[in-house]
Amino acid sequence: RKEVEQDPGPFNVPEGATVAFNCTYSNSASQSFFWYRQDCRKEPKLLMSVYSSGNEDGRFTAQLNRASQYISLLIRDSKLSDSATYLCVVRYNTDKLIFGTGTRLQVFP
Amino acid sequence: GAGVSQSPSNKVTEKGKDVELRCDPISGHTALYWYRQSLGQGLEFLIYFQGNSAPDKSGLPSDRFSAERTGGSVSTLTIQRTQQEDSAVYLCASSLRTGGVEQFFGPGTRLTVL
Repeated sequence: RKEVEQDPGPFNVPEGATVAFNCTYSNSASQSFFWYRQDCRKEPKLLMSVYSSGNEDGRFTAQLNRASQYISLLIRDSKLSDSATYLCVVRYNTDKLIFGTGTRLQVFP
Repeated sequence: GAGVSQSPSNKVTEKGKDVELRCDPISGHTALYWYRQSLGQGLEFLIYFQGNSAPDKSGLPSDRFSAERTGGSVSTLTIQRTQQEDSAVYLCASSLRTGGVEQFFGPGTRLTVL
C-alpha cells in the first residue's frame, strides 16, 4: 500500500465548476500536510499548506481529518489555468516529503 | 532572485556509465533535497542535506547512488554504473531551513539510460 494515495483522475470539468480531490495517508505520525501543483513537464510548486482547522486561499480550500487520515482540496469556480496535476504531500518527523502520485485536472471551456 | 537551478537539463547516457547531476540551491537556503520522478510515479525522496551533512539518506535506492554537498551550497548526485531503471527526472529542492518550511524545486534533470 502506498504511503499517500490519490485518485489519479483525470478529472475533466468545465470552467466555473467546483471540483474536489481527496487523499489518504497511512502513517498516523505524519506532521505536516501540503498540496503541490505540477504543470506538465515542470517542477512541483507549493499550492498551500493544510491545517487541522481547515484553510482557504481564494478559490482553494484545504481540509485535514487526522482521525481518518484524510486530506482534501476543493477548487471553486475552476479556471482553464487550473489544469495541472495536484500532488498530495505529507511530512513525517524528518524533513523528507512523501508525495502521492497526483490527481490530474483538466478544465475545458 | 534566482531559483533553484539544475544541470544538465537533459542527460542521455549508456548503461554502465557514471553520471553526475548538479544542483544550485537558492542562496541562503541551508537545506537541500533530492527526489526523483519516474514516468507515472510520484516523487520519490532520495536524500537531504542540512548544511553539508546528510541526516537522512534512506531513499537512495542502492549503493550506486551517492550525493555530496560542499560549502553548504552546491550539491552533486552521482549515479555509478547506470541502469535503465535509473531513467527518471531528478529533482532538487531547497528550503531556508529544515522543519517543514516550503521546499522550492528546481526544473529537474531528465536522465535517460539507453
